[in-house]
Amino acid sequence: GQNIDQPTEMTATEGAIVQINCTYQTSGFNGLFWYQQHAGEAPTFLSYNVLDGLEEKGRFSSFLSRSKGYSYLLLKELQMKDSASYLCAVPHTGGFKTIFGAGTRLFVKA
Amino acid sequence: DVKVTQSSRYLVKRTGEKVFLECVQDMDHENMFWYRQDPGLGLRLIYFSYDVKMKEKGDIPEGYSVSREKKERFSLILESASTNQTSMYLCASRTHRDPAGELFFGEGSRLTVL
Repeated sequence: GQNIDQPTEMTATEGAIVQINCTYQTSGFNGLFWYQQHAGEAPTFLSYNVLDGLEEKGRFSSFLSRSKGYSYLLLKELQMKDSASYLCAVPHTGGFKTIFGAGTRLFVKA
Repeated sequence: DVKVTQSSRYLVKRTGEKVFLECVQDMDHENMFWYRQDPGLGLRLIYFSYDVKMKEKGDIPEGYSVSREKKERFSLILESASTNQTSMYLCASRTHRDPAGELFFGEGSRLTVL
């Protein structure tokens, strides 16, 4: 079966760095997504990793280790507007489905 | 600007009522999906459609049906709403040309069944 685990909640301070972890168990692998979802809004795409290593995109970076079934999302220079849920998701190999983790709710405090 | 539009942001229905949730996308995407989102459970796939008139059950299809008569429109139907179907419903679409491509989501429809 497939399973994705990520912490339920995290709190960090404005200006700091936070790392949100995600571990996954899948029968195959076709990449890993991170989505951001503000309260009451639609999830929006943040990043996609299919190869091992770090992908940097401005203040946000995403890391993948396929051998460990592990990814993290790194947010630098945190801003209040980064308070949101962050969803880790894995496309199902050989099909059309995307499996989502339960999401990590990040609170950024002043 | 690409867009996935869901017909209603908020609905309140009574137990036993028939409920229609509509989703329209303007990106000419082949694949469309209906998820429900509940606290602590994340997004769970109800049904998906990989092309017009095609539909496949997701992980939690019981109590739901879908319709895809036109490429841009994917409807979710609750034949007889029950209180355990109170949830946030999210529609999403994706191009079939990249099966690992990102999903584009609508704003969501929050359904309350009394």
